Amino acid sequence: SQQGEEDPQALSIQEGENATMNCSYKTSINNLQWYRQNSGRGLVHLILIRSNEREKHSGRLRVTLDTSKKSSSLLITASRAADTASYFCATDAVRKYGNKLVFGAGTILRVKS
Amino acid sequence: GAVVSQHPSWVICKSGTSVKIECRSLDFQATTMFWYRQFPKQSLMLMATSNEGSKATYEQGVEKDKFLINHASLTLSTLTVTSAHPEDSSFYICSARKDRGYTSSSYEQYFGPGTRLTVT
Repeated sequence: SQQGEEDPQALSIQEGENATMNCSYKTSINNLQWYRQNSGRGLVHLILIRSNEREKHSGRLRVTLDTSKKSSSLLITASRAADTASYFCATDAVRKYGNKLVFGAGTILRVKS
Repeated sequence: GAVVSQHPSWVICKSGTSVKIECRSLDFQATTMFWYRQFPKQSLMLMATSNEGSKATYEQGVEKDKFLINHASLTLSTLTVTSAHPEDSSFYICSARKDRGYTSSSYEQYFGPGTRLTVT
């Protein structure tokens, strides 16, 4: 399968709460990226974490990477209704004939106001 | 920032016809472009990798004769869905890779807004 696994598949929280999404992958990677997609729209790049990094912050976003477990997590703090979207992790995997970005299954986040 | 456009943003066509979707990098040259397909409530599935001046590399299970890819310049890649059928109805997203120049792993990939194809 091209895709890694993400959990949960769907997450519903109240505005102001934190949301945590997890991603696992199978191969060695150069970096891992998180994207947001509003319903029926294109992708918005959120954050990139390199394979030699363990944690990265961007505003209300915090991403961790554990290459020994081949997993990553995305934490959104103090969630807002506008954070309602699908979130995907994507791995830039090490490949013999050129890198390519492979997406996880995604987590649908709903933030209730 | 780097902008990638797609045209058209949506298209409806009849079964058996062909549809061409364009992907353009507007303010940078893209050595490589990628085409993804996304079915409702699912993730993006990579269809093929398009390199300027050479043949596209298709993922396993993707029919190259049905999904024709042409990367004629460093700013334009096209995907043609030939003899479209209702099961080809999907959201097609392209992305363009901009090489940042320091290591082979340090590139940025920019996504187009997507094209929604409906085959009736």
